[in-house]
Amino acid sequence: GAVVSQHPSRVICKSGTSVKIECRSLDFQATTMFWYRQFPKQSLMLMATSNEGSKATYEQGVEKDKFLINHASLTLSTLTVTSAHPEDSSFYICSAGTGFGSPLHFGNGTRLTVT
Amino acid sequence: DQQVKQNSPSLSVQEGRISILNCDYTNSMFDYFLWYKKYPAEGPTFLISISSIKDKNEDGRFTVFLNKSAKHLSLHIVPSQPGDSAVYFCAAGRDYTGNQFYFGTGTSLTVIP
Repeated sequence: GAVVSQHPSRVICKSGTSVKIECRSLDFQATTMFWYRQFPKQSLMLMATSNEGSKATYEQGVEKDKFLINHASLTLSTLTVTSAHPEDSSFYICSAGTGFGSPLHFGNGTRLTVT
Repeated sequence: DQQVKQNSPSLSVQEGRISILNCDYTNSMFDYFLWYKKYPAEGPTFLISISSIKDKNEDGRFTVFLNKSAKHLSLHIVPSQPGDSAVYFCAAGRDYTGNQFYFGTGTSLTVIP
């Protein structure tokens, strides 16, 4: 089955630094990838839609200058949390689909802790 | 504004019995619905889906029911097994938007041996 690899699984960084999270589709081409954030006991919140070769589409309330998304190829999307602060600490998950209406395949997520 | 809601944060069921997980949505334009299962420290994995042209979809022990007029879907697991213990998310979206889905808050299912 389709596999999405997300790296790193855990990262601890100091406040003010930037962190890059990678999301790769290993055995299929994903023209669209999605980035989510999950707070404890809350739902997966869609942050942005990453489109290969074009700018990402951000959900309302998500700062595009803080959460930089790059989808440079059909198999790789990156999320960079710039100038991270403790309130950015969360679980970030990416997903990718193979077509309209098809099930999404998720990465295993990245636990970000900003100290 | 939560467009997809799972009002039961947790559910406990005896092994062998039926587990019923419920999900409600508010956007009448949603026409594709999915259930995902999530273990701790892992990403969600796809379980089963249903499109709005159907009211039931079955896959082994898992059946999803859709009531469009009530904007309600449910996941039935029969018989429940201890390995089914996980958090279950329902998701809803509009098919043409290219996989953009909105998720409920999840229901933590515990199957008691």
